[in-house]
Amino acid sequence: VIWMTQSPSLLSASTGDRVIISCRMSQGISSYLAWYQQKPGKAPELLIYAASTLQSGVPSRFSGSGSGTDFTLTISCLQSEDFATYYCQQYYSFPYTFGQGTKLEIK
Amino acid sequence: EVQLVQSGAEVKKPGESLKISCKGSGYSFTSYWIGWVRQMPGKGLEWMGIIYPGDSDTRYSPSFQGQVTISADKSISTAYLQWSSLKASDTAMYYCARQGVRNGWFDPWGQGTLVTVSS
Repeated sequence: VIWMTQSPSLLSASTGDRVIISCRMSQGISSYLAWYQQKPGKAPELLIYAASTLQSGVPSRFSGSGSGTDFTLTISCLQSEDFATYYCQQYYSFPYTFGQGTKLEIK
Repeated sequence: EVQLVQSGAEVKKPGESLKISCKGSGYSFTSYWIGWVRQMPGKGLEWMGIIYPGDSDTRYSPSFQGQVTISADKSISTAYLQWSSLKASDTAMYYCARQGVRNGWFDPWGQGTLVTVSS
């Protein structure tokens, strides 16, 4: 099983800020990583796949980078609708696993 | 439009059985995997397992192997998640989601089915 460490678990920021969320793997996964956004009471939505490819319709202020064991999700210029919980997911080997989540809250 | 529509909320007693469903539309149901994800109250996402409706190939997370059964009926484009004997700890929101054949990310997701197990 590949273990994932997502940090921070809670992030306080203001509209207009740039934030970075990290996801570290227990072993290398090449670029087999996705990022999701989940708002309260809603199903998760895909933001990024293959570590850095933006899903269609996702604003360009979201970006992903990394390969191997260390990955980041960057949101530049936070908008009010970006305050949500974010999860990474590895799909390099079964069982595919999710990070613990990062709740992004308004400071 | 690709869509996954899940069955409605359930309230069950410990020891009872349950089968929840996820119906796909707007795409070839037999050409994509369907996965199930658990989210316990106030907690994160847990990958449970996936099924390929084309041939019923199924993969489980070790954490859920033997605890649930994933199945599919391709004739009606529907995947299922079932329990033979529910526990209070099965109380959670369960999501289904589509996964491509050559990739492992989930998109789109169903709206979720809330399962409450209480005596």
